[in-house]
Amino acid sequence: NAGVMQNPRHLVRRRGQEARLRCSPMKGHSHVYWYRQLPEEGLKFMVYLQKENIIDESGMPKERFSAEFPKEGPSILRIQQVVRGDSAAYFCASSRGDQARGNEQFFGPGTRLTVL
Amino acid sequence: AQKVTQAQTEISVVEKEDVTLDCVYETRDTTYYLFWYKQPPSGELVFLIRRNSFDEQNEISGRYSWNFQKSTSSFNFTITASQVVDSAVYFCALSGYGQNFVFGPGTRLSVLP
Repeated sequence: NAGVMQNPRHLVRRRGQEARLRCSPMKGHSHVYWYRQLPEEGLKFMVYLQKENIIDESGMPKERFSAEFPKEGPSILRIQQVVRGDSAAYFCASSRGDQARGNEQFFGPGTRLTVL
Repeated sequence: AQKVTQAQTEISVVEKEDVTLDCVYETRDTTYYLFWYKQPPSGELVFLIRRNSFDEQNEISGRYSWNFQKSTSSFNFTITASQVVDSAVYFCALSGYGQNFVFGPGTRLSVLP
């Protein structure tokens, strides 16, 4: 029973390039959350998606960042024209969305983005 | 608004000492969930415990124990007889019913041999 999978685990980009981070939720999970962890800080919520819908993007920067969770395939967090300040660990979490079980989220191993 | 405070930025203890990590939270929700995660140097998040707001029973799991006090909005975590492998950053997190997590800033624990 595979957990939440994220790839790549490490990503290096030069300033101005695009970064694509992928998250495959646990089997049976239809809700995905993205969090960002800047160096030496805690995790900050970015966006919450269900299949084909963005439910809450209140934590997403207004420019250059976008997220999707298509009907088929993984969720994608896309960062256009990366800058050094985007260097961080990006964690994905998934849940069943079953309210009877509360909000039990399972976290992936994270993608560490380094912008040169 | 929801908020989690972990006032201890860094703690150092000597192996075999007991250590308590503090967590204080703020929420207006009546139903909410509290979590602790461990982040070792390798970087992944390791789930430790989940507690809902209706269950104030304290929990013990091996050397770990948690003290949930609704009256003081605290959810403290104690490691008994600490070991070097306990060295990590520990995060407390809060979630409303069906909502995203709000994490505290973390406490870096160093256990010295």
